[in-house]
Amino acid sequence: DAGVTQSPTHLIKTRGQQVTLRCSPKSGHDTVSWYQQALGQGPQFIFQYYEEEERQRGNFPDRFSGHQFPNYSSELNVNALLLGDSALYLCASSFLREGFNEQFFGPGTRLTVL
Amino acid sequence: RKEVEQDPGPFNVPEGATVAFNCTYSNSASQSFFWYRQDCRKEPKLLMSVYSSGNEDGRFTAQLNRASQYISLLIRDSKLSDSATHLCVVNLRPMTSGTYKYIFGTGTRLKVLA
Repeated sequence: DAGVTQSPTHLIKTRGQQVTLRCSPKSGHDTVSWYQQALGQGPQFIFQYYEEEERQRGNFPDRFSGHQFPNYSSELNVNALLLGDSALYLCASSFLREGFNEQFFGPGTRLTVL
Repeated sequence: RKEVEQDPGPFNVPEGATVAFNCTYSNSASQSFFWYRQDCRKEPKLLMSVYSSGNEDGRFTAQLNRASQYISLLIRDSKLSDSATHLCVVNLRPMTSGTYKYIFGTGTRLKVLA
């Protein structure tokens, strides 16, 4: 049973460019969340997708957008990249239910903006 | 005030020691709680879910105090492999959306010394 997978593992972009990151959730999971983790910080919630809709959003500008596909996989798009967007981007999946919603994380995509 | 606060550490302890981490949260609507561990440059991995009555899993004990809004993690008989950043996570489930979001603390660094 494959866990959460993300691609690519590393990416280097320049300011102003656009980037798309991809995530496949763990088998049986229907909810995908995205996080940004800067060095020395905890992951910061970007947004969450369920039933192909954005259901929750953190304090991130509209430059950050996403999508969820019918097979539950998801993409994170970032437009007009800034140097400050350099971070580890983590995807987490879970099965939406009452009570505990344990999330399982992928290995992340390390984005460097030059 | 941050939504989830942790002492960043580092906590340097000898092998075999007992170490405790505390975490406070500000949103009384927080519904569930977790401890994750994160090794350097890796993704967070679920260590324990925290139940209302407290729970134990081998050398690890988690406690929740809703009245005081804090969560604790106790590690007994520390091993070298416990060296990692330990992240406190609060799960918020706003009434309007039906979904939820994780709020992470910045993490507490633990180094177990031989």
